[in-house]
Amino acid sequence: DAGVIQSPRHEVTEMGQEVTLRCKPISGHNSLFWYRQTMMRGLELLIYFNNNVPIDDSGMPEDRFSAKMPNASFSTLKIQPSEPRDSAVYFCASSLGGLRAGWFGPGTRLTVL
Amino acid sequence: KQEVTQIPAALSVPEGENLVLNCSFTDSAIYNLQWFRQDPGKGLTSLLLIQSSQREQTSGRLNASLDKSSGRSTLYIAASQPGDSATYLCDSQGAQKLVFGQGTRLTINP
Repeated sequence: DAGVIQSPRHEVTEMGQEVTLRCKPISGHNSLFWYRQTMMRGLELLIYFNNNVPIDDSGMPEDRFSAKMPNASFSTLKIQPSEPRDSAVYFCASSLGGLRAGWFGPGTRLTVL
Repeated sequence: KQEVTQIPAALSVPEGENLVLNCSFTDSAIYNLQWFRQDPGKGLTSLLLIQSSQREQTSGRLNASLDKSSGRSTLYIAASQPGDSATYLCDSQGAQKLVFGQGTRLTINP
């Protein structure tokens, strides 16, 4: 298995633009997690899905952020409109059940100018 | 609110030394605690997961301990190697969900 796949690896955009981050979890895993990592706040759990259903989105910072998981092999995290303070590395992770994320993707480094 | 602290923020030791990384948490009502490794520009790799009923877990040269009563976990690395250089993070799972520490950046000098 190729592991958790994220795209793009790097994204540079201007304030106000829509940003869509993509994730393909490990085949067979039924839990998927989105994290954000910044120097100031460290690693934060944004949202996690179980069997394609959002279980806990309490970590989503505000309404500008939305996440979907239309099927077991694909998830998106969308920011609209983006702001400079959204600049961070966004990680997707997956696992076989539970709250624990066992396998992390390489991350998407987002820069909002 | 759960707070997870890792001290020191950075540590540099000569190759071959045994070392201990620390993770402290304020709420002892955790379900489990996990240690991760993060290499520069990469995602996290899970190292060890300790359930609340366990005292320690071992994997190769790594040993993680958990003392809920004192709110502490330690990651012991034996016979350190340059390849162990990375940032090590811990996180706790409890009623307040997952909370990560800020990590300890470890450098092993050849």
